[in-house]
Parts: sequence; structure tokens; C-alpha cells
Amino acid sequence: SQKIEQNSEALNIQEGKTATLTCNYTNYSPAYLQWYRQDPGRGPVFLLLIRENEKEKRKERLKVTFDTTLKQSLFHITASQPADSATYLCALGTGGFKTIFGAGTRLFVKA
Amino acid sequence: NAGVTQTPKFRILKIGQSMTLQCTQDMNHNYMYWYRQDPGMGLKLIYYSVGAGITDKGEVPNGYNVSRSTTEDFPLRLELAAPSQTSVYFCASSYIQDADTQYFGPGTRLTVL
Repeated sequence: SQKIEQNSEALNIQEGKTATLTCNYTNYSPAYLQWYRQDPGRGPVFLLLIRENEKEKRKERLKVTFDTTLKQSLFHITASQPADSATYLCALGTGGFKTIFGAGTRLFVKA
Repeated sequence: NAGVTQTPKFRILKIGQSMTLQCTQDMNHNYMYWYRQDPGMGLKLIYYSVGAGITDKGEVPNGYNVSRSTTEDFPLRLELAAPSQTSVYFCASSYIQDADTQYFGPGTRLTVL
């Protein structure tokens, strides 16, 4: 069956360290993958998009990798700050309107 | 730009009642979507629209209806509310269909008792 999995356990890290979040999927052939940030009581906010023919994408302190062989994306936040604490969602785009969202991973950055 | 706005923010319904969740966007996006988000689950697509007058079912459409009479508005109608419809509902819009940023509203938290 088709699955998209993000670590359901919260990730706790110290300020200044690099946070790495994982998104694994099975039985999909995504054309692209997106990462969104969601704060409590708010809607998701788009962060980055990476296409199937791209290995890596960067935006300021954010970096996303996409390995279609491993069927995995890694999302990195370098020099993390308490303000980065949120839930991060990955979303697979398989073409057309079908965007499949993961359940998200909560990140806590301690000062 | 206000982006995507949703009303109400919170609502409690009794089983069998009906209501309409409102969604408006001011970005002139053709594509609009309704999702529901349940605890520990990913967003599930309920309905989507590719433009005024055109709507189609998503993954979990049962118990819901939509209409799209204008580019800006995409209301979601719940008929005969059931406890299984207790969820947080998000409306979103995008400029193009594929590989595009979806802009989400703040959500409506609905409880059916």
C-alpha cells in the first residue's frame, strides 16, 4: 500500500545545532516533494519544493535532499533557533491535484 | 493581501445539524482546495476546484458538498453532521495546478457532539 511516513516522535534539539527531519515514502513515484511548516492553531506555510531530478535544494538555513532510490527526503535546519519550533510536514506531488501530506514531525529547539 | 481567510474559527455542532464553512482568497488563484486534518494524520483532500463553476471530489468527499460561483469564494457545506466530521478544516489555494505553493487559511476547528 502507499505510505508516507514522518517520525511521529518529537525531535528535541539544542539551539545552534542542526535539526534533521526525515520523510520516507513507499509505492509512490513523486514528481516533486514539498516541505511545509505548521504552527499550533495555524495553517501550513510553504517552505521548499524539490523536484524528482534535483538532489538538493537550499534556502537560507534550510536544506532539503531528495533520494528517489531510497524513497526519502531529508529536511535540515542549520543553526536552529527556538523560533524554529513547529511541526514540519512533507508533501508528495504525484502530478495533477494529488498532493499527499505526511502527518508531520514536531520540532522543539531549546535555548 | 489578506491571503486565504476562513470563517468561523471554531464551531460546535449537534449531530444532524448542517453548516457552511466559508473560504475566501484575494490572490486571484484559480485552484482552491479543502482539506481536513485529524490528530496524527496527514491532511486529507475533501474537494478541489480548478476555477469558477468547476469542482471535483478528493480523497474523502462523503458528507460534504462544495460550490464555486466566483474565483474568490469556495464554501464547504456539511449536511447532517456526524461525530466523524470532528476535525480541523483547512482551505488552500494555488496559482497553478502542479508543483506549486499552496497557500492555506488559518483553519476552522469543528466539533460534532
